[in-house]
Amino acid sequence: NAGVTQTPKFRILKIGQSMTLQCAQDMNHNYMYWYRQDPGMGLKLIYYSVGAGITDKGEVPNGYNVSRSTTEDFPLRLELAAPSQTSVYFCASTPQGGHTEAFFGQGTRLTVV
Amino acid sequence: GENVEQHPSTLSVQEGDSAVIKCTYSDSASNYFPWYKQELGKRPQLIIDIRSNVGEKKDQRIAVTLNKTAKHFSLHITETQPEDSAVYFCAARETGANNLFFGTGTRLTVIP
Repeated sequence: NAGVTQTPKFRILKIGQSMTLQCAQDMNHNYMYWYRQDPGMGLKLIYYSVGAGITDKGEVPNGYNVSRSTTEDFPLRLELAAPSQTSVYFCASTPQGGHTEAFFGQGTRLTVV
Repeated sequence: GENVEQHPSTLSVQEGDSAVIKCTYSDSASNYFPWYKQELGKRPQLIIDIRSNVGEKKDQRIAVTLNKTAKHFSLHITETQPEDSAVYFCAARETGANNLFFGTGTRLTVIP
């Protein structure tokens, strides 16, 4: 099993550009999440999904969009990149909510200049 | 929502000594408390977790304690080794909730 796979690993964007961060999991997990990790800070939830066709906002959703057309994939879209979106982005999945381990992807380091 | 505070932000210990990281949480409904280890440039990985019906859990050199009344939980690492050097995150979650709230992390350095 590959687990949770994120692409790309690194990306530099210019202000105003758009891009999609890809996330795929092969564990048949229902729940998927996008977090951002700023230096010296914990992980902040951007969006999450509890199943295909269902998405919801987390703590810091502004400037982002998501979709969940399949159980496996949960892409994160940045429409108009801003310097404040410079961060490391982690996708994660869990079989369900509650007391279950979160499996993380390897992260995407995004720089907006 | 839940607010998780974590201390200290950095911790240096000599190899073989113990390390303790503490977290407090605000929501008394939280009942699941995992700890994640993130090595430099790597993804966070679960190292131990505890549920609110248990006061302490141990796995070899790692232990976690929970005080529900005071709303705090701690990670204890004994006989530290250089490979324990990493950033450690605590987290809290309420049953049925979809979010896992993370602390701000502790950078542990074990000095050989």
